[in-house]
Parts: sequence; C-alpha cells; structure tokens
Amino acid sequence: GQSLEQPSEVTAVEGAIVQINCTYQTSGFYGLSWYQQHDGGAPTFLSYNALDGLEETGRFSSFLSRSDSYGYLLLQELQMKDSASYFCAARTSGTYKYIFGTGTRLKVLA
Amino acid sequence: KAGVTQTPRYLIKTRGQQVTLSCSPISGHRSVSWYQQTPGQGLQFLFEYFSETQRNKGNFPGRFSGRQFSNSRSEMNVSTLELGDSALYLCASSLGGSDTQYFGPGTRLTVL
Repeated sequence: GQSLEQPSEVTAVEGAIVQINCTYQTSGFYGLSWYQQHDGGAPTFLSYNALDGLEETGRFSSFLSRSDSYGYLLLQELQMKDSASYFCAARTSGTYKYIFGTGTRLKVLA
Repeated sequence: KAGVTQTPRYLIKTRGQQVTLSCSPISGHRSVSWYQQTPGQGLQFLFEYFSETQRNKGNFPGRFSGRQFSNSRSEMNVSTLELGDSALYLCASSLGGSDTQYFGPGTRLTVL
C-alpha cells in the first residue's frame, strides 16, 4: 500500500531546534508537502519539496531525499505557538491521490 | 482573495439521517478534495473532484458521495448516518495537478 509514516509525538523546549521525519512508501510521487494544524483549526500549508535537497522558509526548512524515500521538517528557534500537529503529504504519481502522513504532535515546553 | 469556505460549521444529526455539506473553493481553483479527520485515524481522503468529475475516491463506503458544480463548488453527502461518522470534515481546494491544498475551516459533524 501507499503510506507516509511519521513519529506520533515530539517534545522540545522553546528556542530549540526540532526535526520531524517522514518516511514514505508510494509508487511514485510528485513531491512532498508539509502542513501545520493547531487544535481546532484546519491544516495550513508550510512547505513543498519537488526536488531533492533543502527548502528554507523563515524558521522552517524542509528536506527531501527521493533515493531514501525520506523527508523531514526542521523547525528552528521554537516558539510556544509552534505547538501543533504536523503532517507530511504527497500526491502519488500512480493513483494521483493526495495522501497525508500519520501526523506528528509537537509540544513546545517553556 | 477569499479562502475556502465550508457550511455549516457545526452539525448535529441522529443515526439513520442523512447530511449534506458544502464547500466553496478559492476562486480559480478547479480541484476540490474532501477529508475526514478523527482523533484516531488522522486525515482520511474521501474523494477529489476536478472540473465536475470525480478524479479519485478513498476507501469509504458508498454512503459517502459527492459532486461538483460548474462553478467548482462542491457538496458531499452522507446517508444513513452512523455514530462512527462523527468527525471533522475538511474540504481543500487546489489549482489542480500536484498543487498545494488550501483547506477550509471544516464542518464538525456529531452523530447521536
């Protein structure tokens, strides 16, 4: 089957750096996206990697390695407001479905 | 540009009833996808419509159906509601292709 796996929970302190991993098993895909969702809110787009390598957007960076079927989201200078769930997602080239990862709940401690 | 809107925001129904949810995409977006989100199952893909045609369907029973109109607005319908259908139903729009998904605020459905 096609799936994107993430750790269920990550905890870090304010000001720290945290990495959220995503390993995928798909028949092929167009690229890897990352979304943030606060409790009670809707997912919002953070970053997209179409090619291998690092993409940087402010405090957030995302990395993709197609050869390793792996990507990660890096959050720097953590703030309390970063406490949320983070999802990786991809549209597969085979079925053309847009599928989401299992989600990682990030807790930022003061 | 206005974002994705969903109506209603909250809904309470009883088992056996049916429900229709509505989604208006961002202007110019032709693809609308629907997702069910529950605490234990994460974001589950329901279906995707593009230019009034269902392009993809997830692994949900036939009680879940949808459609898209010529103005790209979409509706999803759930018939014969079950307790397990209680969830947040999210709609997302995109330009099409492999584009980023833009989500609406969701409809919180409670089945009693």
